[in-house]
Amino acid sequence: AQKITQTQPGMFVQEKEAVTLDCTYDTSDQSYGLFWYKQPSSGEMIFLIYQGSYDEQNATEGRYSLNFQKARKSANLVISASQLGDSAMYFCAMRYSGYSTLTFGKGTMLLVSP
Amino acid sequence: DVKVTQSSRYLVKRTGEKVFLECVQDMDHENMFWYRQDPGLGLRLIYFSYDVKMKEKGDIPEGYSVSREKKERFSLILESASTNQTSMYLCASSLTASRSYEAFFGQGTRLTVV
Repeated sequence: AQKITQTQPGMFVQEKEAVTLDCTYDTSDQSYGLFWYKQPSSGEMIFLIYQGSYDEQNATEGRYSLNFQKARKSANLVISASQLGDSAMYFCAMRYSGYSTLTFGKGTMLLVSP
Repeated sequence: DVKVTQSSRYLVKRTGEKVFLECVQDMDHENMFWYRQDPGLGLRLIYFSYDVKMKEKGDIPEGYSVSREKKERFSLILESASTNQTSMYLCASSLTASRSYEAFFGQGTRLTVV
């Protein structure tokens, strides 16, 4: 069964500090994709970053980077220089090869304090 | 910019009513999805569609049906609403030709069944 695990229900960080949100996944497939989404209190899901299982380099998008450790089956999101606007729920998700659907973890609530 | 629009942000319905949640995307995406989001459970896939008139069950299809008569529109139907269907419903779409198949989400519909 496909499974995404986010072990941190909530995280606190001070503005301008870096924070790592954990995500582990379970698969025996070799080809898959990993995603992170942000959901502010307004409710919309915002795509942040993507990592393909065959990508040799860790994905980066501005202040977001994905720490991909294939052997450990982890895909942690690193947010550098946190901002107040980063306060939101963050979801890790996975797409398996040949499928268009995403399987989501339960999410981590990030609160950034001044 | 991809736009996925859900017909209502908030909806209150009575037990036993037939409820229609509408979703429209404007980027000619083949794939469309309906997810349900509940606190502590993350997003769970209800149904998805990879083409007009095609539909596939997701993880929790019981009590729901869908309709896709046109490529841009995907409707979720609650045949007889029940209180345990009170939830946030999120529609999404994605492009098959995209390398990542990243899903773009609507703003969500918060449904309350009383």
